[in-house]
Amino acid sequence: DIQMTQSPSTLSASVGDRVTITCRASQSISSWLAWYQQKPGKAPKLLIYKASSLESGVPLRFSGSGSGTEFTLTISSLQPDDFATYYCQQYNSHLYTFGQGTKLEIK
Amino acid sequence: QLQLQESGSGLVKPSQTLFLTCAVSGGSISSGGYSWSWIRQPPGKGLEWIGYIYHSGSTFYNPSLESRVTISVDRSKNQFSLKLSSVTAADTAVYFCTRGLDYMDVWGIGTTVTVSS
Repeated sequence: DIQMTQSPSTLSASVGDRVTITCRASQSISSWLAWYQQKPGKAPKLLIYKASSLESGVPLRFSGSGSGTEFTLTISSLQPDDFATYYCQQYNSHLYTFGQGTKLEIK
Repeated sequence: QLQLQESGSGLVKPSQTLFLTCAVSGGSISSGGYSWSWIRQPPGKGLEWIGYIYHSGSTFYNPSLESRVTISVDRSKNQFSLKLSSVTAADTAVYFCTRGLDYMDVWGIGTTVTVSS
């Protein structure tokens, strides 16, 4: 199985900050990576697919990059609505796996 | 716009079988190219992929659950289902159904399943 490791597990930041979350795969997954945002009590929401493609309707302050085994999600200028938990997910094989999540908190 | 709605047993006794259904509205489950997945999230924990059924009918399951899981489609009712046998307290979670193109672009709101005697 392909293991996905996110860092950090928790991130404290302020409105207006630029933040980056990292996701590492245990083996190469090319660009087959998605990022999701989840707020408490809600279903996850797709932000990014194929490592860097922005899902329709997602604000341009979100961006994704990377390939192979290392990927990043960047929020260019944090807004109050962005404080949530973020997950990466690989779909290189038919067996999907998620990262453990990164909780983005208000500093 | 496509919408998904989970339903099923909210309380299941240990060793019994969990049944959940995901009703698809605003589109056809037979639309080509999509996979239909189940994801779960134990209380306070992260997301775990359970498995999916492809539009062709092929199924793929999480190896850690494969011996207990069955996902099936009922095209006449435009829905797909999850069956998880021999449940334990570790199966207590919010269960989500999703539509995917490998990544998951449409999610249901989730349904809570508690395993308890």
